[in-house]
Amino acid sequence: TQLLEQSPQFLSIQEGENLTVYCNSSSVFSSLQWYRQEPGEGPVLLVTVVTGGEVKKLKRLTFQFGDARKDSSLHITAAQPGDTGLYLCAGANTNAGKSTFGDGTTLTVKP
Amino acid sequence: DAGITQSPRHKVTETGTPVTLRCHQTENHRYMYWYRQDPGHGLRLIHYSYGVKDTDKGEVSDGYSVSRSKTEDFLLTLESATSSQTSVYFCATAGVHNNEQFFGPGTRLTVL
Repeated sequence: TQLLEQSPQFLSIQEGENLTVYCNSSSVFSSLQWYRQEPGEGPVLLVTVVTGGEVKKLKRLTFQFGDARKDSSLHITAAQPGDTGLYLCAGANTNAGKSTFGDGTTLTVKP
Repeated sequence: DAGITQSPRHKVTETGTPVTLRCHQTENHRYMYWYRQDPGHGLRLIHYSYGVKDTDKGEVSDGYSVSRSKTEDFLLTLESATSSQTSVYFCATAGVHNNEQFFGPGTRLTVL
């Protein structure tokens, strides 16, 4: 069974601060996704990374895939209250097969 | 947005009754999934489908069955609901690109 561990589990910060959340595994993945989920809604895809060492930027969010494709990080610069939510990473080894989800990081950004 | 709807959005039922949740998609995606989400457990895969009439079990399939008679519909059935099945249920779909999944809005099920 492939496991994805996310840390920290909870993070509460002030508006304007920077933060990094991590997604780690002992398994290699062919692709890894990050999702954000707001209360009462389903997760929404933010990004997919597929190449070891890959870095993708989405406005203030920077996603990195580890060189060995076993881990990933999400860095948010100058966090805003609108960034509040549950951040989930998911990895898979086959195209459009099953994905393994981490338990998520709950981020709260206080104004 | 993959055009995914779930029905009902909320349901309260009693222990021992059958319950069916419906997921409908308009994107012609091949893959469909049912997850449950509980505090402290993240998203756990119940069953998934890789085509019409083709389904397989996920990690928490006991007590659940599924059916997919059309590409656009994926049904999740609890044959005899138990209180441990109180949860939020999410349907998701995927095309063929890198396992990217698109989620429905969820169904909150309470079993009394």
